[in-house]
Amino acid sequence: EDQVTQSPEALRLQEGESSSLNCSYTVSGLRGLFWYRQDPGKGPEFLFTLYSAGEEKEKERLKATLTKKESFLHITAPKPEDSATYLCAVQAGTALIFGKGTTLSVSS
Amino acid sequence: KAGVTQTPRYLIKTRGQQVTLSCSPISGHRSVSWYQQTPGQGLQFLFEYFSETQRNKGNFPGRFSGRQFSNSRSEMNVSTLELGDSALYLCASSRDRGGNIQYFGAGTRLSVL
Repeated sequence: EDQVTQSPEALRLQEGESSSLNCSYTVSGLRGLFWYRQDPGKGPEFLFTLYSAGEEKEKERLKATLTKKESFLHITAPKPEDSATYLCAVQAGTALIFGKGTTLSVSS
Repeated sequence: KAGVTQTPRYLIKTRGQQVTLSCSPISGHRSVSWYQQTPGQGLQFLFEYFSETQRNKGNFPGRFSGRQFSNSRSEMNVSTLELGDSALYLCASSRDRGGNIQYFGAGTRLSVL
């Protein structure tokens, strides 16, 4: 069964304190792994897509990496505006299978 | 470029009623998918429409249905509402099927009393 598990569920950081979010997955035939950011009351906002092990993508303070079993979202020197829920999803056929997300809070 | 538009943003219904939600995809996008988001289950796939045909369906009862029009706009319908149907319903569009990035709307918050 296709499955995505994210950890931790919640993460509190001080501004400037770097950390990583984990996304473990099992899927038959990975067609893509996606990271989204969701702010309260809004829909998920696309961040990255990764297709093969070893691939990395960067955007501002965020960097996503992919192995055959998991993906990491590294956050370098986070700011309060990075506070949000980060969702990981894998493409199974044409559907996205989502993890429950990691809620990140960054305080100044 | 306009994003995915969902209407209405909020709905309050009572048990047993039915509801229709609307989604206008990004211009040029032909695939529309619907998801249900709840605090307990997270985001779960409902169904996908492409070229006015349902191409994929998640594990939801038949009370949940949808359709897509020739201009790619989509509607989803929930009949005989239950309390457990209270959720954020999200629509996502992509240019084509499979492997394409799905862009989400802001969602419709449905409350069933």
